[in-house]
Amino acid sequence: GENVEQHPSTLSVQEGDSAVIKCTYSDSASNYFPWYKQELGKRPQLIIDIRSNVGEKKDQRIAVTLNKTAKHFSLHITETQPEDSAVYFCAASSGNNDMRFGAGTRLTVKP
Amino acid sequence: GAVVSQHPSRVICKSGTSVKIECRSLDFQATTMFWYRQFPKQSLMLMATSNEGSKATYEQGVEKDKFLINHASLTLSTLTVTSAHPEDSSFYICSASKGPETQYFGPGTRLLVL
Repeated sequence: GENVEQHPSTLSVQEGDSAVIKCTYSDSASNYFPWYKQELGKRPQLIIDIRSNVGEKKDQRIAVTLNKTAKHFSLHITETQPEDSAVYFCAASSGNNDMRFGAGTRLTVKP
Repeated sequence: GAVVSQHPSRVICKSGTSVKIECRSLDFQATTMFWYRQFPKQSLMLMATSNEGSKATYEQGVEKDKFLINHASLTLSTLTVTSAHPEDSSFYICSASKGPETQYFGPGTRLLVL
């Protein structure tokens, strides 16, 4: 089955700096890669996703890149703000209800 | 939109009792619903996948007789934790999908077994 690894487990940045979170996956059949943001005690919220026919996708301060050959994808947050502080999860799926999540990255943005 | 509700949000029960958690997709019909368990500061661990009208598919290591899942309609799935014990205390989150990809999560249920 799919195995998703996520790094780093914790990340602390200064407000205004960029943050990068990286994930690798094992199943070459995976073709859908969402990113979720989870604030303490709340539900995970989808913030961006990318499919395997695309190498990069951007939505305002958030971007995701995908390298299918290397089986890794990354989340980039620019101009970080304190409200970006949360736990971020990457996930991978082949489209057969088999989504697997990474271990999560706790991002802290210091004002 | 894609709104998923979950009830109750929090439950405290005595050891040995059963607890039922409901998950509803409010504005769409969910072809599939998922149940996850999340321990503090850990990731989402998939427990089972359920499709309306059929038996749930449980992940390895999850006891199907302990975690009963019923997916009675395209908008409702229930998880019953039978004979709950303190080690079952956790944050249980459901999600629902319209298709094979994007999942929309419920707000979660925090279960505390005394």
